[in-house]
Amino acid sequence: EVQLVESGGGLVQPGGSLRLSCRGSGFSVSNNYMNWVRQAPGKGLEWVSVIYTGGATYSADSVKGRFTISRDNSKDTLYLQMNNLRPEDTAVYYCVADAKVAATGWHAFDMWGQGTLVTVSS
Amino acid sequence: DIQMTQSPLSLSASVGDRVTITCRASQYISTYINWYQQKPGKAPSLLIYAASSLQSGVPSRFTGSGSGTDFTLTISSLQPEDFATYYCQQSYGTPYTFGQGTKLEIK
Repeated sequence: EVQLVESGGGLVQPGGSLRLSCRGSGFSVSNNYMNWVRQAPGKGLEWVSVIYTGGATYSADSVKGRFTISRDNSKDTLYLQMNNLRPEDTAVYYCVADAKVAATGWHAFDMWGQGTLVTVSS
Repeated sequence: DIQMTQSPLSLSASVGDRVTITCRASQYISTYINWYQQKPGKAPSLLIYAASSLQSGVPSRFTGSGSGTDFTLTISSLQPEDFATYYCQQSYGTPYTFGQGTKLEIK
């Protein structure tokens, strides 16, 4: 089964750091546009960051300067380094592929991981 | 940033009903809009991309329409498995903002 698998979530104190990872099974993280999307408990979806195949990255203002999206092509793994975490960063973080753009030219999030929960609390 | 405003935020309907969810963008986005379905405890899944293109494997009772700033998602005949939360998302540019979500419940 083709899927994305996240890891690295957990409980962290405010001001702490955490690194999330995402690997593809039967799917290349390196050859696709990849995103992180989060969802706070009981809330809606919030786009966090994107990394394009050429390496360019963009992030939401709410995480700019604190979160960094990156990719290790040799390991075919996507990362989200989260520093200076705040209670409002508590959410399920989804690794999401925009594989649609390569086939159609349209950006759409067509493959989602199962999510990993990050809880920021003292 | 482009704001996406969905309505209604909640909706009660019966199996077999036709329902429509609307999404309005705060600025022109052509047809750069996607629709997702999310069931409790699960990751979202793509239903419609580019305003009206049906994602592979999605039943044809789901249709999307609109361009510019006003868009709709229509489910022609609700099935039990369609009760979920639906989100629109603009892909015109970063940040790729989502609507607030519309929770579709059984009447």
